[in-house]
Amino acid sequence: QSVLTQPPSVSGAPGHRVTISCTGSSSNIGAGYDVHWYQQLPGTAPKLLIFRNINRPSWVPDRFSASKSDTSASLAISDLQADDEADYYCQSYDKSLSGSLFGGGTRLTVL
Amino acid sequence: EVQLVESGGGLVKPGGSLRLSCAGSGFDVSPNAMNWVRQAPGKGLEWVASISSSSSYLYYAPSVKGRFTISRDNAKNLVYLQMNSLGAEDAAVYYCARQEREYASPVVPFDMWGQGTMVTVSS
Repeated sequence: QSVLTQPPSVSGAPGHRVTISCTGSSSNIGAGYDVHWYQQLPGTAPKLLIFRNINRPSWVPDRFSASKSDTSASLAISDLQADDEADYYCQSYDKSLSGSLFGGGTRLTVL
Repeated sequence: EVQLVESGGGLVKPGGSLRLSCAGSGFDVSPNAMNWVRQAPGKGLEWVASISSSSSYLYYAPSVKGRFTISRDNAKNLVYLQMNSLGAEDAAVYYCARQEREYASPVVPFDMWGQGTMVTVSS
């Protein structure tokens, strides 16, 4: 099944830690394909946040981390800050689709 | 500034056609695989199509296959998305996005995105 499932929303207080899950299947994450994560601030285009499962571009602080296991991946954001409020998307490749697949997105609210 | 700039969006009637363009500004897109990704109002991201640097490999999402055509003109530093038989379900902001590789490889993320161009489908 060509679907990446994310929770619609997560929230946390400033300074706290949240995690966002991304659950796939044997045709995408479970087939060994890499997972990338994107951050979309309100009213802007998505921006690469994590690439190849665990790697951060130079502009991304180390408060952001990610992991991948079996058919799922996870993004963790520690020391939450107000400007982390955004939508977060996971992405992988799906062999049934022969193309990219995005998760449904998770809206992070910093309380 | 190095960026991707989309254009060509607008209002189109159901069943109509539209061609979107994506220009590389400040850099050469010719070595890169390029993609179109769309986002319907209030919804998530949906990959639409990808094209390899030499146009040898084209891939489409099932939802647009047979109606949309991705192409590129490396001499003009442009990537296109021809959209035909448009329906309400195609209304979205369309983003072009770059992959830093010749082919649309799963290991290579979309490292640069344009600001998007809005397509509205309405009679």
